[in-house]
Amino acid sequence: KAGVTQTPRYLIKTRGQQVTLSCSPISGHRSVSWYQQTPGQGLQFLFEYFSETQRNKGNFPGRFSGRQFSNSRSEMNVSTLELGDSALYLCASSHGADRYNEQFFGPGTRLTVL
Amino acid sequence: KQEVTQIPAALSVPEGENLVLNCSFTDSAIYNLQWFRQDPGKGLTSLLLIQSSQREQTSGRLNASLDKSSGRSTLYIAASQPGDSATYLCAVRRDGGATNKLIFGTGTLLAVQP
Repeated sequence: KAGVTQTPRYLIKTRGQQVTLSCSPISGHRSVSWYQQTPGQGLQFLFEYFSETQRNKGNFPGRFSGRQFSNSRSEMNVSTLELGDSALYLCASSHGADRYNEQFFGPGTRLTVL
Repeated sequence: KQEVTQIPAALSVPEGENLVLNCSFTDSAIYNLQWFRQDPGKGLTSLLLIQSSQREQTSGRLNASLDKSSGRSTLYIAASQPGDSATYLCAVRRDGGATNKLIFGTGTLLAVQP
């Protein structure tokens, strides 16, 4: 079974631009969560999607948004990029229907904002 | 507000030694706790998932315990190897609501010296 895939793996953008990151979950998984990882703040929860609906949202500005498609693939978008948005963005996949289910992470997208 | 702490922040041991990593959380109302490892610049690899009703889980040389009432978990690694060198993260999934949101600790950076 294929694992969680994220594209692209690396991105370099300049301030003010926008970016879209993609995550394909494990086949059969309906929940996708996004996290931001920085050296200073560690891993922070961005949002979670389940069956195309946002189920939970972290404490990030509205510039961060996401969506999920009917095939469970998810995208997150960051508009008006700031230097502080430079981070490793990770997505996690899980079955979603069982509260005890295990979460599996993708390799991440490394975003650098210049 | 749930806070997760990991001690020590860094640990260096000689190959073959048994070791224990610690994870503490402030709110005992959790669904489960998951241990991950992260290699530099990579995504997270799930090691063990402990349900809130369980006391421990084992996988190969790894054993994780959970004491929900005291807000503590430990990850025991037997006969450590250089390949175990990585950052180890614990994460809790809080009780209440349909969400897969994980709250992460700050991690323990482990170096196993050959």
